[in-house]
Amino acid sequence: QQQVKQSPQSLIVQKGGISIINCAYENTAFDYFPWYQQFPGKGPALLIAIRPDVSEKKEGRFTISFNKSAKQFSLHIMDSQPGDSATYFCAATQDTGRRALTFGSGTRLQVQP
Amino acid sequence: EPEVTQTPSHQVTQMGQEVILRCVPISNHLYFYWYRQILGQKVEFLVSFYNNEISEKSEIFDDQFSVERPDGSNFTLKIRSTKLEDSAMYFCASREAQGFSGYTFGSGTRLTVV
Repeated sequence: QQQVKQSPQSLIVQKGGISIINCAYENTAFDYFPWYQQFPGKGPALLIAIRPDVSEKKEGRFTISFNKSAKQFSLHIMDSQPGDSATYFCAATQDTGRRALTFGSGTRLQVQP
Repeated sequence: EPEVTQTPSHQVTQMGQEVILRCVPISNHLYFYWYRQILGQKVEFLVSFYNNEISEKSEIFDDQFSVERPDGSNFTLKIRSTKLEDSAMYFCASREAQGFSGYTFGSGTRLTVV
């Protein structure tokens, strides 16, 4: 019930295209859903996060779509750039009490010039 | 921008030896975490620490592991007797007590057990 399932495992997108990564969760107590970007040899860096009281959050080229009834959320990267090439992890947690993050398995994104 | 600082960046140790990984969380953060990432795999939770005690731990965090905040700024992870399968990147993270800010991760310590 603690799992967060992420797909696809890898993704190749042309420059300027839209990258879409999907995640699904089971635990209905989760109330904080961040996305992290990780470059090789670096720690995860927070990209964008959403709470379940909204269905969408947009920050620049990055958008989270959230479907509470389906227990799914996704990251959309618009106008993908080669510099976006990284591994992306979705995560979820119970924000109250600052519980630990449960991470998805990661998506390796490659944006081709 | 405030950072979580981890040292060393890379440590090589003999199997069976003790290692201590160090972290300096962001100064006004009150929640501290250790995660690990085996090469090419997902980030896994080890332990969280609040108010000078463990608040949550995973099944990975067995008796070989311990955490400490010895001096009010450093946050350490000790592995008493390292095994080959402990080889991984270890990430420290911290978070403030209130507000919507996310977890801030350090750059990690790459532990190689030989």
